[in-house]
Amino acid sequence: QKEVEQNSGPLSVPEGAIASLNCTYSDRGSQSFFWYRQYSGKSPELIMSIYSNGDKEDGRFTAQLNKASQYVSLLIRDSQPSDSATYLCAVEPGANNLFFGTGTRLTVIP
Amino acid sequence: GAVVSQHPSWVICKSGTSVKIECRSLDFQATTMFWYRQFPKQSLMLMATSNEGSKATYEQGVEKDKFLINHASLTLSTLTVTSAHPEDSSFYICSAPTGLHYEQYFGPGTRLTVT
Repeated sequence: QKEVEQNSGPLSVPEGAIASLNCTYSDRGSQSFFWYRQYSGKSPELIMSIYSNGDKEDGRFTAQLNKASQYVSLLIRDSQPSDSATYLCAVEPGANNLFFGTGTRLTVIP
Repeated sequence: GAVVSQHPSWVICKSGTSVKIECRSLDFQATTMFWYRQFPKQSLMLMATSNEGSKATYEQGVEKDKFLINHASLTLSTLTVTSAHPEDSSFYICSAPTGLHYEQYFGPGTRLTVT
């Protein structure tokens, strides 16, 4: 079983819609959770972090964490074509280790 | 956020030669840095963990004699691809963790092409 699992997509949403990206993880003891955005040909960029159950909002982005279900998600409101990228979920299970999912490719259609 | 730089951003070398890639943390110290490789349309693959003052830890299947890692200071790690071959052509990315929650920040990457 993979440490971190994501739907590889591609996920297509129309401009202005809400994009919902999901991630599950296997280690119940994980404490820190991150979302990275990676544009084609570029390196990943940290866009959200979440450490406790519930929602965390930053502009158009909302990260949601449910430790009981071992589930973390990223919502992008009012999606823009510039949001088209691969989104990587990363989980820190402790001991200063970080596990990445394989990423979900998002396309926002103008 | 924290800033990590890499040099060079791209390099072309001939088969059989060696290439050194530098990774620097610009505004923080990093006792640990990570080296990843990414082939086109594939996910990140962790190659090794670079530890300041000690030997690097390599992931299974990564040849430590081919990919030499030196973490010479708290702000610099280098990856040397020795005797490069065309199959080593890839996007090499380093990252360094910082902060209370161990956020990893990535360098901009180095695109290596071996001819």
